Amino acid sequence: EIVLTQSPATLSLSPGERATLSCRASQSVSSYLAWYQQKPGQAPRLLIYHASNRATGVPARFSGSGSGTDFSLTISSLEPEDFAVYYCQHRSNWPSYMYTFGQGTKLEIK
Amino acid sequence: EVQLVGSGGGLVQPGGSLRLSCAASGFTFRSYWMSWARQAPGKGLEWVANIKQDGSEKYYVDSVKGRFTISRDNAKNSLYLQMNSLRAEDTAVYYCAYDSGDYGGYDYWGQGTLVTVSS
Repeated sequence: EIVLTQSPATLSLSPGERATLSCRASQSVSSYLAWYQQKPGQAPRLLIYHASNRATGVPARFSGSGSGTDFSLTISSLEPEDFAVYYCQHRSNWPSYMYTFGQGTKLEIK
Repeated sequence: EVQLVGSGGGLVQPGGSLRLSCAASGFTFRSYWMSWARQAPGKGLEWVANIKQDGSEKYYVDSVKGRFTISRDNAKNSLYLQMNSLRAEDTAVYYCAYDSGDYGGYDYWGQGTLVTVSS
C-alpha cells in the first residue's frame, strides 16, 4: 500500500510570497499524483492532476512538478484566497482501484 | 451542471447502522466509477470506497471492510453507502465524488453529509 507524506505540516507565509509544498510517495507512483485545495466548510477542489496539469479554471500561479516518489506544488505569488489546506493524492489501479491521500499541509497567513 | 447531493447523515449510536445516499445529475451517471470519501472533524481526507460503472467491482479501505457496502442504482442516478457496526471513529463528513476525465483525482464532489457516532 502506498503512503503519501506531505511536508511541512504547516507553512506560514505572507501574500505575494512563493509557496512550495512537498509530497513524497513510499514507492513510485509515476506521474499519477493529484493536488487539492480545501477551505473550511467546503469540499476539496482539484487543482493539479497527473502531477503537472492544471485542472479546469485553476489559476496559472499554481503549478505541479515531480515524478516517481517526489512531488511539489508551487504557488508562485500567494493571493489571500490561497490560504487553505492542501492535499496530495494518488489513485492506484492494481491490485485494487483505490485512492490514497496525504495528511495535508496547512498554508497559513504569517 | 453537475450536481452530487448527499443525504442520510445524522446521529447514530455505536454499533448502529446508517445508509447514505448521493443523488447525481448533470452527467451520465452510469458511465463513471463513483466513490465515497470522508473527513473526520479537524482531520484529513480519507478514501472509503469505489464502485465500478455496472457495480461489478467494489473496493474499500481496510478500516471499513466487512462493515460498509457501496452500491448504486443507475436507473435512479444514485449512489449509496450502507454503514453497519458503526464506531466512534467513523464520525466524519462523508462525500460522494467522481473523476470525470480519468484525471486520477476527483473533479466533482458532493457537499458532504455529517455522520456522528456517539452514545
